[in-house]
Amino acid sequence: DAGVIQSPRHEVTEMGQEVTLRCKPISGHDYLFWYRQTMMRGLELLIYFNNNVPIDDSGMPEDRFSAKMPNASFSTLKIQPSEPRDSAVYFCASSLRVPVSPLHFGNGTRLTVT
Amino acid sequence: AQSVTQLDSQVPVFEEAPVELRCNYSSSVSVYLFWYVQYPNQGLQLLLKYLSGSTLVESINGFEAEFNKSQTSFHLRKPSVHISDTAEYFCAVSEGSKTSYDKVIFGPGTSLSVIP
Repeated sequence: DAGVIQSPRHEVTEMGQEVTLRCKPISGHDYLFWYRQTMMRGLELLIYFNNNVPIDDSGMPEDRFSAKMPNASFSTLKIQPSEPRDSAVYFCASSLRVPVSPLHFGNGTRLTVT
Repeated sequence: AQSVTQLDSQVPVFEEAPVELRCNYSSSVSVYLFWYVQYPNQGLQLLLKYLSGSTLVESINGFEAEFNKSQTSFHLRKPSVHISDTAEYFCAVSEGSKTSYDKVIFGPGTSLSVIP
């Protein structure tokens, strides 16, 4: 079991550029979550999917953010255009069955927008 | 809407001393409660969870937490901490919706520093 895989680990980009974060969940997990972690706001739930379908995107901060899950083994979080205040660590997590099964987190993508 | 409060952002404690990390939640419906731990440059890992049954739950490394419905609390305790317990600890809640309990919300976290 390779765990949840996120790429890239670090991303540095300039304001206005498009950023795409990627996530491969654990095989067989039906749930996928995207979280953002900052010192000021802690760990915020952005969006989550069940069986590839977005269930709740109320945490997505603005229209600049979008997330997709085209199949059970891949999800993307896109920011277009990026802004300095988007700088954070973005985590992807998957779960077999919430809440009885735990969330398995990836190691995160540290995004810096200059 | 649910929310999770962790009153202490930082808790320094000497090695082998006891520690309590506080967590309170607000919810008008039934909830499931969790503690996750995050080590530097890593994602979060489940430490323990309360789903139902006994209100006292334990982890394999000596932590325990007690669900108190009347006080809407789920405080984490350990009688004797070790250097390796130094990490960020997050309390989380999953609130019942019409069909499921699948939205997991995290508290702001408590940074536990164990002093040799």
